[in-house]
Amino acid sequence: DQQVKQNSPSLSVQEGRISILNCDYTNSMFDYFLWYKKYPAEGPTFLISISSIKDKNEDGRFTVFLNKSAKHLSLHIVPSQPGDSAVYFCAASDGGGATNKLIFGTGTLLAVQP
Amino acid sequence: GVTQSPTHLIKTRGQQVTLRCSSQSGHNTVSWYQQALGQGPQFIFQYYREEENGRGNFPPRFSGLQFPNDSSELNVNALELDDSALYLCASSPRGGMNTEAFFGQGTRLTVV
Repeated sequence: DQQVKQNSPSLSVQEGRISILNCDYTNSMFDYFLWYKKYPAEGPTFLISISSIKDKNEDGRFTVFLNKSAKHLSLHIVPSQPGDSAVYFCAASDGGGATNKLIFGTGTLLAVQP
Repeated sequence: GVTQSPTHLIKTRGQQVTLRCSSQSGHNTVSWYQQALGQGPQFIFQYYREEENGRGNFPPRFSGLQFPNDSSELNVNALELDDSALYLCASSPRGGMNTEAFFGQGTRLTVV
């Protein structure tokens, strides 16, 4: 059972435009959400996170939006740059247990065209 | 940062393998993840203060150790072809349950 879903395997965007990556989840106990970026042959790099008590968190060009009622979050990148081309993973944590376990989606490959 | 060794490894089915990880300074919690091709990372288990502190849906032939210096090992016995994957180590500070984990570059394991 896939608790975190990224339904778009890939996304192509022109440089300078907005990239919007989407993520859906099914477990209402999730209370913390993260986005990671991954280049080939590297480990995932933390980008931005959001707690379930918020609906928006912004860090420079990156903004994450959380819609708890829809169990949906999105990552906006504005403006998109060619260096943003990578696989983006959405992850969730329930935080309620003793384990800081992250549950990941399957990823979205973002290609930013110059 | 988090460092892992080796970066690549080829093993034969039925063999045993040990992967190593050095956590980020100041972090005392380490987690291991398996990332199969085309999938997101899947949680194997977590260690805190040298004790297993949570486990995902992996069989007992996946085991681990955490050492006092916060380095860690992942051991896999009786390797199967499906164990071929990227194995990721992640460290995080304990106490902040909702906090980001910092990943190493991974070990690419191929079982033939």
